[in-house]
Amino acid sequence: QQPVQSPQAVILREGEDAVINCSSSKALYSVHWYRQKHGEAPVFLMILLKGGEQKGHEKISASFNEKKQQSSLYLTASQLSYSGTYFCGTEIKLTGGGNKLTFGTGTQLKVEL
Amino acid sequence: EAGVTQFPSHSVIEKGQTVTLRCDPISGHDNLYWYRRVMGKEIKFLLHFVKESKQDESGMPNNRFLAERTGGTYSTLKVQPAELEDSGVYFCASSQEAFLPNYGYTFGSGTRLTVV
Repeated sequence: QQPVQSPQAVILREGEDAVINCSSSKALYSVHWYRQKHGEAPVFLMILLKGGEQKGHEKISASFNEKKQQSSLYLTASQLSYSGTYFCGTEIKLTGGGNKLTFGTGTQLKVEL
Repeated sequence: EAGVTQFPSHSVIEKGQTVTLRCDPISGHDNLYWYRRVMGKEIKFLLHFVKESKQDESGMPNNRFLAERTGGTYSTLKVQPAELEDSGVYFCASSQEAFLPNYGYTFGSGTRLTVV
């Protein structure tokens, strides 16, 4: 089942902060975050493997609450280059072996001057 | 290091025709995935190869879709016959080993398929 992201869309002025949430109904092995600009490939931002783990990438960081099966992406002091669609990807272990990554519904982020 | 390469970048075909999409993963990546994004919506999983074996093909819509990865290198995704609802952007991704810390998937630029 597909993880749900919120908000669906957000518009920021340059320098403002934003939080994007990702919730899953299944027990998660890990959470990925990707950003896709229009017409381009999704680009990997970070992966969070353990509950409570926080990662950072420039002014973008994320947390993973394993118990709540939720992850949040934090964008601080947003820049124009942050514009795009953000996807979380939730990973589960398959009973037959291997893992499966399912992408969330996406959050469209636009940063304006 | 070369990234994930997909060919063609765009394809416009008529309903009922056949189209074959190709993906060249990063050299040495055992895992290869196909995803599809339709009408700017979510990215949906199609299938996962580990080397030449299909690990998971639960996302394949129907038997009009056939994916292969002979020799465990490049992969092809054939749609035959194509229907209007098959239109979308088909992404291929590869990863070195399932779920190593700090490694995500590397995506290709996608093939935009339009069925008219």
